[in-house]
Amino acid sequence: AQSVTQLDSHVSVSEGTPVLLRCNYSSSYSPSLFWYVQHPNKGLQLLLKYTSAATLVKGINGFEAEFKKSETSFHLTKPSAHMSDAAEYFCVVTRNSGGYQKVTFGTGTKLQVIP
Amino acid sequence: DVKVTQSSRYLVKRTGEKVFLECVQDMDHENMFWYRQDPGLGLRLIYFSYDVKMKEKGDIPEGYSVSREKKERFSLILESASTNQTSMYLCASRPGGNVQPQHFGDGTRLSIL
Repeated sequence: AQSVTQLDSHVSVSEGTPVLLRCNYSSSYSPSLFWYVQHPNKGLQLLLKYTSAATLVKGINGFEAEFKKSETSFHLTKPSAHMSDAAEYFCVVTRNSGGYQKVTFGTGTKLQVIP
Repeated sequence: DVKVTQSSRYLVKRTGEKVFLECVQDMDHENMFWYRQDPGLGLRLIYFSYDVKMKEKGDIPEGYSVSREKKERFSLILESASTNQTSMYLCASRPGGNVQPQHFGDGTRLSIL
């Protein structure tokens, strides 16, 4: 079984300050992990992915995430928030299961950026 | 860039109607997916397909069916629409093989009156 928990449904930061979006996962197998971003009335766009290579993963738009197996976490960070970062973010855990890819989405974190 | 195109951005239908949502991808991906997205529930998988004419039930298939007659096209069908099927519907595709991310369309916001 696998699951993913996004610890905050809403996060609010001021423009120019750091962003931290938290994600914890549970998986019986070595998982692959993704972060997606969804802007209003748009589909999901891949930010970054972890696939058992380097534990610190860099993504688009200045985001990065660190895979910490001991803490079962994959938190998303950015040093300095920009107004355009306001969106909803989804943490996703996947594993191969019987020839298919089992994908589990978190419930999302809405990021508000205050000018 | 991969493009996943959903035929309608907004759709309004009536209870009991048969509704078709269409999705087309242009990257020859083997796998295609239909999700619905509701506030506080995240994305829930309705159906997926790993090849032409193949389909598998996801987590919430009741009240839905799918069709994949061509590799690039994956259709979601609401046999008899009900108000509890009002939602945002997202289509995605991905290549075969391990650990490939999904590519999403912009979604169809469906309202059933």
